[in-house]
This record gives sequence, structure tokens and C-alpha cells, in this order.
Amino acid sequence: AQSVTQLDSQVPVFEEAPVELRCNYSSSVSVYLFWYVQYPNQGLQLLLKYLSGSTLVESINGFEAEFNKSQTSFHLRKPSVHISDTAEYFCAVVDRAAGNKLTFGGGTRVLVKP
Amino acid sequence: GAVVSQHPSWVICKSGTSVKIECRSLDFQATTMFWYRQFPKQSLMLMATSNEGSKATYEQGVEKDKFLINHASLTLSTLTVTSAHPEDSSFYICSAGSPSVYNEQFFGPGTRLTVL
Repeated sequence: AQSVTQLDSQVPVFEEAPVELRCNYSSSVSVYLFWYVQYPNQGLQLLLKYLSGSTLVESINGFEAEFNKSQTSFHLRKPSVHISDTAEYFCAVVDRAAGNKLTFGGGTRVLVKP
Repeated sequence: GAVVSQHPSWVICKSGTSVKIECRSLDFQATTMFWYRQFPKQSLMLMATSNEGSKATYEQGVEKDKFLINHASLTLSTLTVTSAHPEDSSFYICSAGSPSVYNEQFFGPGTRLTVL
């Protein structure tokens, strides 16, 4: 079965500093990869996704993630964070050989300090 | 597009009662909907996959008689927590797959259930 590991449960960061959230998944021949953001007491919002093509994907609010097949990773980065980026971030994987089910990582709580 | 709603957004009930949570896809037809459960400061755990017109597929360890799922139409799936107990208190989130957006799930805002 697919598994997803987010190595950092919490990441404190100062405003305007860069941040990287790490995500590794168990090996599979073919996967789709997602990053979701969850604000307090809300559902999940898609931040960005990798389905195929360019291994570097970007969101409209400055986040980017790079699919690294050899390292089975999909780390999320932002060069300069805002207070409003304070939220929980979840990495998720769809194993294409196992249908459309999402497997989530444990989540990383980002706390942006002024 | 691809908006998913949940109702209610929060509910408080007494132990032993049943609670129904609705999940609706507002602007698309969802042949498949998913129900997740999220404990405080934890990740989402898939409970079951709901397919329109057929029985739901439950994940291992999820009691199908406890968590009744009905997917009667292409825009509505319901989760009923039967004979709720305090340990059922959690954040329940549904998602729906859109046929026009391959392999992406759209999430509802969640329902917080508190059982006293």
C-alpha cells in the first residue's frame, strides 16, 4: 500500500523568509501528487498538483513543488512567506495502479511569525 | 466550478443518537464521493468510497453498520453516524471527483461532530 511521509510536523518561520515542506512517498511505478492547504476549521483546498509533464509545478500564490522520481519526493517551497500562509499543509498521492484513492501524509503545520 | 458543500457545518448531539451529514456537489455530477475523518492535529483518514447507485466500499477497520453511507444521486452522498458516542466526535470531510478534472478530488468544508 502507498504511504506518504511528511518529515516535519511543524515548521515555524518568520515572515518573508523561505520555507520548504518535505514530502516523500513509497515507491510506485506511476503516481499523481498533490499538495493541499487547510485553514483552521475548514476543508482542504488544492494548492498544486503533478500529473505529468514538467516536474516543477507552481501555484498562483507563489508556492512551487518539484517531483523527483528517483528520490520519490515532492517537496513544497515558497521563497517568501506571508502571515496568511499560516495553515496546515498536506501532501497526498494517488497510486494510479490502485484507483483514485488519495493517501495523505501526516501534515505539516506552518506558523508564520511577524 | 467544482464546488462541494457539506451540511451541517457543525453538530452537537447526545450519546446514542444518530446524526446525518450531507455532501453535495453543487455544479457537477460526482459518480464517486469519498468520506474522510480527521482527528485534531492529525491527517485525513479515508473511511469509505461512495459510488452512485451502489454500495459504499469501506476501508479496513471502519464499521459499515456504524457509519452508513448513501449515494442516491449524482450530486448527493450522506453519512449517518448511528448511535453516536463521544469517541465518534471528529471532523468529517467529504470529497467528490469531477469527470472533467481527471484524478482530482474537490473537498467540502467539513462537519465538526461533537457527541456529549
